[in-house]
Amino acid sequence: AQSVTQLGSHVSVSEGALVLLRCNYSSSVPPYLFWYVQYPNQGLQLLLKYTSAATLVKGINGFEAEFKKSETSFHLTKPSAHMSDAAEYFCAVSLSGGYNKLIFGAGTRLAVHP
Amino acid sequence: SQTIHQWPATLVQPVGSPLSLECTVEGTSNPNLYWYRQAAGRGLQLLFYSVGIGQISSEVPQNLSASRPQDRQFILSSKKLLLSDSGFYLCAWSGGPAYEQYFGPGTRLTVT
Repeated sequence: AQSVTQLGSHVSVSEGALVLLRCNYSSSVPPYLFWYVQYPNQGLQLLLKYTSAATLVKGINGFEAEFKKSETSFHLTKPSAHMSDAAEYFCAVSLSGGYNKLIFGAGTRLAVHP
Repeated sequence: SQTIHQWPATLVQPVGSPLSLECTVEGTSNPNLYWYRQAAGRGLQLLFYSVGIGQISSEVPQNLSASRPQDRQFILSSKKLLLSDSGFYLCAWSGGPAYEQYFGPGTRLTVT
């Protein structure tokens, strides 16, 4: 069965510092993987997706993620944090077997301080 | 391009009152549709999903129901709200080959 674990419910970085949000997945088949961002009182916005093409995936707002099969990881990074990156981030894996269901991690709240 | 709408944006309802939240999608046909709930400080809980008109699957037993009267319309309902129904309700659709889901702006429901 597929599952997603996000390490760290809260991450705090300084403006301009590296952002690293961790996601590990469990899947019995090659997965599709996603990162979403949610700003307060808004819906989730798709940041990027891995669909078995390039292992390094670039998304919006300068974020990227690398699929590492050996580590079953899909960590999200951004070289330099901006104040506007403060939000909650969710990692998700597609559930094989139909109906396009996604399994979401518990989320990581990113705080960016001056 | 595709657009997903939800209304109302916010709602305050007393315990025991009925509920109807609506979600519509534009720019696509035969999408899969989903209802999620986020309780305060918690992650996403999938409530219902639908692969076609009149086809509803429930993920958890609860005080809520869903209907899909038209291809691009998804409705979340309750006959009698409970305090525990408070939360942020999100509608989403998918239809692409990578199974990604696209979310609406959400409805903030407060049951008093």
